[in-house]
Amino acid sequence: SQQGEEDPQALSIQEGENATMNCSYKTSINNLQWYRQNSGRGLVHLILIRSNEREKHSGRLRVTLDTSKKSSSLLITASRAADTASYFCATETWNTGNQFYFGTGTSLTVIP
Amino acid sequence: EAGVTQSPTHLIKTRGQQATLRCSPISGHTSVYWYQQALGLGLQFLLWYDEGEERNRGNFPPRFSGRQFPNYSSELNVNALELEDSALYLCASSLGSGNVETQYFGPGTRLLVL
Repeated sequence: SQQGEEDPQALSIQEGENATMNCSYKTSINNLQWYRQNSGRGLVHLILIRSNEREKHSGRLRVTLDTSKKSSSLLITASRAADTASYFCATETWNTGNQFYFGTGTSLTVIP
Repeated sequence: EAGVTQSPTHLIKTRGQQATLRCSPISGHTSVYWYQQALGLGLQFLLWYDEGEERNRGNFPPRFSGRQFPNYSSELNVNALELEDSALYLCASSLGSGNVETQYFGPGTRLLVL
């Protein structure tokens, strides 16, 4: 079964607003990564957070990780129409090497 | 630097046929991963190859198979195609076995089984 589960499934906001997506997972992880997918194409890596980190920033992106709650959030600030995409979290778990478990994704629509 | 490439971009087959999908990793990457993404669903892990060997496979029947060549490119073969095999198949590559590896994805092959 899938490890990660994103929430909400779909999100629609106005340009300039912030977008927050959440990811929950089931077992202990090595790290958690967020990816973006535009229009059913390949995924683009956004940010990686290790299990011993609590927060990371990259440009307009902020990721938090709460290992006690087995959850992560991705915040996109000052959203743009170009941020419209599906966002997936992927977890790398202990003893599975480089096998990633992806969630079902959050579909974000940013309205100009 | 060239990214991960996949071919073909689209593939149309009929039930019972075989499909072969190809992937070339980023130069210097030795690990290749295959994922299936059915319409509206998340990515389902299929296979992981590293240094020419299958390291792990997801919960898929044996008719999903593949291999990795000495130049680290990879093929995914799907035998006895079924309608539900219609999906976007994504290939990703990474530097190799080890912890904390970012996977770089190709654009995918969209397989349609009629």
